[in-house]
Amino acid sequence: GAVVSQHPSWVICKSGTSVKIECRSLDFQATTMFWYRQFPKQSLMLMATSNEGSKATYEQGVEKDKFLINHASLTLSTLTVTSAHPEDSSFYICSARDTGDGPGETQYFGPGTRLLVL
Amino acid sequence: GENVEQHPSTLSVQEGDSAVIKCTYSDSASNYFPWYKQELGKRPQLIIDIRSNVGEKKDQRIAVTLNKTAKHFSLHITETQPEDSAVYFCAASTLGNFNKFYFGSGTKLNVKP
Repeated sequence: GAVVSQHPSWVICKSGTSVKIECRSLDFQATTMFWYRQFPKQSLMLMATSNEGSKATYEQGVEKDKFLINHASLTLSTLTVTSAHPEDSSFYICSARDTGDGPGETQYFGPGTRLLVL
Repeated sequence: GENVEQHPSTLSVQEGDSAVIKCTYSDSASNYFPWYKQELGKRPQLIIDIRSNVGEKKDQRIAVTLNKTAKHFSLHITETQPEDSAVYFCAASTLGNFNKFYFGSGTKLNVKP
């Protein structure tokens, strides 16, 4: 149980285009999901907290207009990188809390999406 | 906000030896500390966690200790095996505050056969 999927697993796009990444909890409901960014050989940097039915909360320094988050259902959150530029190239990972099972402190991670902006 | 520091950044041990990874945190409100293992190209996987109301937790070859006063916690792996080679991340969280995780910088563990 507690599987999180992400789509696509990798994407290459031209500078100036927008890219949407989906994060799904496959066998549990997740009112809260998280988006992280991971640079090569570096840690997971929390970008934002995605809450079902309400606005996402962003960490300091993360542009909300650049990284649009939509959490429209209990099993799906999307991250849209708008007007992507080469510096947005990174590995984006989502995680989800199983809020229907106990205190829900555990976060289950998706496999990540590698974005390359040319 | 919370700041988590992790040491060492790389650790190389001989198979069968023990490995210890240490983390410190800054926010005294943090009360949940998970450890994740990430193999190359794969997603982070939870290996053990500890809440602030206990000082130690053990699961077979893996143990975590927590010193709330000093604000530090450690991961101990005994009888290391080559398959333990991976990057390990510690994290700190305040349960109830959306349970946001703040991760350490990671430790690359290499277990030599």
